[in-house]
Amino acid sequence: DAKTTQPNSMESNEEEPVHLPCNHSTISGTDYIHWYRQLPSQGPEYVIHGLTSNVNNRMASLAIAEDRKSSTLILHRATLRDAAVYYCILRGYGGATNKLIFGTGTLLAVQP
Amino acid sequence: DTGVSQDPRHKITKRGQNVTFRCDPISEHNRLYWYRQTLGQGPEFLTYFQNEAQLEKSRLLSDRFSAERPKGSFSTLEIQRTEQGDSAMYLCASSSNRARTGSYEQYFGPGTRLTVT
Repeated sequence: DAKTTQPNSMESNEEEPVHLPCNHSTISGTDYIHWYRQLPSQGPEYVIHGLTSNVNNRMASLAIAEDRKSSTLILHRATLRDAAVYYCILRGYGGATNKLIFGTGTLLAVQP
Repeated sequence: DTGVSQDPRHKITKRGQNVTFRCDPISEHNRLYWYRQTLGQGPEFLTYFQNEAQLEKSRLLSDRFSAERPKGSFSTLEIQRTEQGDSAMYLCASSSNRARTGSYEQYFGPGTRLTVT
């Protein structure tokens, strides 16, 4: 499975946008880019995923570089409840198990 | 609803004892996963079930670990002869077979925190 690289930690102020980067230079043509986050003392939760085009949902936006070697998760207005570890994960389409391979993620701190 | 539930939420045991954890997935989900997470690390895949069939096991799953999913509903993870290195959060997740393209998003339970003394 292709690897991803994320900063260990980032800080943001409440109500400001946050851009969480992810590098995945060895991504293959069939790999989807998934983002999960893990709030303190909880299991991970799905945030968003995409293949080539930028994606928006109620939680966040995902901006994917044209060459797909990097992507950025965008939280438009950070709240204190967005403080979590954010994981960028590549997953092949149609795989037998669709298991998730997590890295160490980015710990996002949100200051009031 | 019911999301994924896990029981117990916390377990403290002495080295050498056996422990068993239970996971109840979202009812219509036929895919079930177990992961293990240690402090400061992301979750690591342990095993995967599709319905009642265990289709993949990680090399992390030593002979002391066994998982079952009888009747394709709830699942159990048993650890025999626990060791201190087994101390971790054990997470269960489920997903549907009928996912949106590329999604197969997994829904995680709150985990069972195991402490081996």
